[in-house]
Amino acid sequence: DVKVTQSSRYLVKRTGEKVFLECVQDMDHENMFWYRQDPGLGLRLIYFSYDVKMKEKGDIPEGYSVSREKKERFSLILESASTNQTSMYLCASSFGSRHTEAFFGQGTRLTVV
Amino acid sequence: QQQVKQSPQSLIVQKGGISIINCAYENTAFDYFPWYQQFPGKGPALLIAIRPDVSEKKEGRFTISFNKSAKQFSLHIMDSQPGDSATYFCAARGTGNQFYFGTGTSLTVIP
Repeated sequence: DVKVTQSSRYLVKRTGEKVFLECVQDMDHENMFWYRQDPGLGLRLIYFSYDVKMKEKGDIPEGYSVSREKKERFSLILESASTNQTSMYLCASSFGSRHTEAFFGQGTRLTVV
Repeated sequence: QQQVKQSPQSLIVQKGGISIINCAYENTAFDYFPWYQQFPGKGPALLIAIRPDVSEKKEGRFTISFNKSAKQFSLHIMDSQPGDSATYFCAARGTGNQFYFGTGTSLTVIP
């Protein structure tokens, strides 16, 4: 079974802090994604990566950056956390250039106070 | 703007009834349409998917109906069970290999 593991289930941070969300997958997938999930807005893509050291902006990249130094690990960075970044963050991975299934982690509920 | 529009936002169905969730899209370059199911505290998981050259796909109690000319597709859950209570997302794959998700439908099946 594919396993996508996010480092924290719940996180509380203060406004202005730098926040790191970590994601690891164990199936040698090329593609990795970060989404945020908000009620009424669904899943919105923040950043994605098709290979090590490569990244592409999604629909809502402002206020975020990512790092992919190893194939299995994809990190989401909130440079200076703000209250409007309080959300559920979901990491996903998939295989291949025309992938048909994204495998999701269990999510990190981030609260910025 | 929302690339995939999903309705309704919430749905309550009696056990044994049919649950129907609808999605619509505009981008004719989308070439693959999955549905994801998410239980509380879990990430979404693939439920069923369809390609645009097929009008219907059935897996057990779950059926996708696809209307290419109308750019609409829907999920039908037959004989709905309380265990089907979850949030359902439709999605579409774009040319850039991204999935665009709908806004989600919270389904409650009451015994």
